[in-house]
Amino acid sequence: KAGVTQTPRYLIKTRGQQVTLSCSPISGHRSVSWYQQTPGQGLQFLFEYFSETQRNKGNFPGRFSGRQFSNSRSEMNVSTLELGDSALYLCASSLVTSGGADTQYFGPGTRLTVL
Amino acid sequence: AQSVTQPDIHITVSEGASLELRCNYSYGATPYLFWYVQSPGQGLQLLLKYFSGDTLVQGIKGFEAEFKRSQSSFNLRKPSVHWSDAAEYFCAVGARMGGGNKLTFGTGTQLKVEL
Repeated sequence: KAGVTQTPRYLIKTRGQQVTLSCSPISGHRSVSWYQQTPGQGLQFLFEYFSETQRNKGNFPGRFSGRQFSNSRSEMNVSTLELGDSALYLCASSLVTSGGADTQYFGPGTRLTVL
Repeated sequence: AQSVTQPDIHITVSEGASLELRCNYSYGATPYLFWYVQSPGQGLQLLLKYFSGDTLVQGIKGFEAEFKRSQSSFNLRKPSVHWSDAAEYFCAVGARMGGGNKLTFGTGTQLKVEL
């Protein structure tokens, strides 16, 4: 079974631009979560989508947004880019089970550089 | 709110030596605990997880971890390290929130293996 795929793998943007990142989950997985990884802040949760609805959101400004499509693929968008948005953006997918936490499987990430 | 502490930022071991990476968590309910590994420029690979039951869990690549509720710890161990184990290791706690789930990560431990 194919793993989580993310496109593009690398992006270079300038301040003030916007960017859209894409994530395709493992087949059958209906939940997609996004994380930002930086050297200073580490791994931080951005948001989670399930059934095209945002279920949870981390502590990020409104410039960060996302959506999920009916096939469970997800996109995240960052508007008005700032230098501090330079990071590795990781997508993770999981089956949705009743009861306890689900196991999240990560993609290779998109490396965003803001100049 | 949940939190994870990985007290060792860097660890160096000789190839063939044993390894223990420390992880302490803070969570009000039953924790769901994970260890992930990240090689440079890559995403996170799941090593093992603890949801319930046997407190000693086995993972991939010969790793194991022991959940100790009294110490709020979930330390990762390997009896004999291989040079290919050099990577960054992240401990995470999974929390159910808003019907979904979110991972909170520690700051990571960078493992160097001396030949």
